[in-house]
Amino acid sequence: QKEVEQNSGPLSVPEGAIASLNCTYSDRGSQSFFWYRQYSGKSPELIMSIYSNGDKEDGRFTAQLNKASQYVSLLIRDSQPSDSATYLCAVMEGKLIFGQGTELSVKP
Amino acid sequence: NAGVTQTPKFQVLKTGQSMTLQCAQDMNHNSMYWYRQDPGMGLRLIYYSASEGTTDKGEVPNGYNVSRLNKREFSLRLESAAPSQTSVYFCASSPQGASPLHFGNGTRLTVT
Repeated sequence: QKEVEQNSGPLSVPEGAIASLNCTYSDRGSQSFFWYRQYSGKSPELIMSIYSNGDKEDGRFTAQLNKASQYVSLLIRDSQPSDSATYLCAVMEGKLIFGQGTELSVKP
Repeated sequence: NAGVTQTPKFQVLKTGQSMTLQCAQDMNHNSMYWYRQDPGMGLRLIYYSASEGTTDKGEVPNGYNVSRLNKREFSLRLESAAPSQTSVYFCASSPQGASPLHFGNGTRLTVT
């Protein structure tokens, strides 16, 4: 079993909707969690980091962390076609481990 | 401000050939990483260096070696390339282990 698991995707949402991306991890000792966005043919770019339980908001993005359930999610409000990309969850387990990514498509 | 620079951008090798992928960062970061990315597999860690002078295996180290030449540079070597090593390779760095990573632009490697 992979240490960091994401929705298999692809996920398709209409423009203006909320996109919900989920990630589970296996190491209960993990303390640092990140969401990266990757456009096709480009390198990953950091969009959110979260270190404590609860919600963290940054513009249209909200990261949610529940360490008891070993679950971290990313909500994208008012989704735009420019949000269409692959979203990668990453968990620090002594070293940074990535999930397989979820492809998001936002339809106009 | 170059950030993380990887060379080359593209490379085609024949099975059995060797090559070194170069990575340099100018942000005075302590930690450096090499990942490979294959379709549907996300990013898989090959090797990392938590600080100058140290290197550790990641999830998929077989067939690779690394050298942390100094604080700026972290190279990845394929001694005898195999078609299974066809992939996109990303180098990344961070100030310290728990910090977010800064990625290079990647090297697209094809082994025939």
